Amino acid sequence: KQEVTQIPAALSVPEGENLVLNCSFTDSAIYNLQWFRQDPGKGLTSLLLIQSSQREQTSGRLNASLDKSSGRSTLYIAASQPGDSATYLCAVWGAQKLVFGQGTRLTINP
Amino acid sequence: GAVVSQHPSRVICKSGTSVKIECRSLDFQATTMFWYRQFPKQSLMLMATSNEGSKATYEQGVEKDKFLINHASLTLSTLTVTSAHPEDSSFYICSATTAGGSLAKNIQYFGAGTRLSVL
Repeated sequence: KQEVTQIPAALSVPEGENLVLNCSFTDSAIYNLQWFRQDPGKGLTSLLLIQSSQREQTSGRLNASLDKSSGRSTLYIAASQPGDSATYLCAVWGAQKLVFGQGTRLTINP
Repeated sequence: GAVVSQHPSRVICKSGTSVKIECRSLDFQATTMFWYRQFPKQSLMLMATSNEGSKATYEQGVEKDKFLINHASLTLSTLTVTSAHPEDSSFYICSATTAGGSLAKNIQYFGAGTRLSVL
């Protein structure tokens, strides 16, 4: 059974810092990995999708890496802004469904 | 980008009543839609996978008679919580994937969610 773990559960940093969120998964037989953003009481916004054959994806200040063999992914956020405050979820696709981690609650302090 | 509309955004109902939640893909056809449940400060748990024109596939532990899913068209799926009880109070989110190709290669687009409170 696939399990996805995200560390840390919560993170608070001052504005402008670069930061890394971590995601690990137990079964390396995945088709892709996605990072999502969820604002309080809202749905999910897809940030980055990495196919299993890829090593990383970039979008603006976000960079996600994937090491399938070790079961790890990182989301790097450069020059953080208060508007980046949200919960970040990673999810892996395998066995015809997405399995989510519990998320990292990120707070960027002005 | 692809938009998924979920309605209502919030519903409060009395115990024993049924509640219907709609999930619509506004600008694309979705052969597959997914229904998730999220408890406070927990992650999303898949409840069922819904394919247009066929019966939904429920995850283990999800009561199909309690959570009725209908996917009658390529743009609409509904989740009905029957005889709701306070323990059904949760945040329900749907997602949809674009038609065609491998499910694994398709991004899931999520609705904004429905907050259900059962009194």
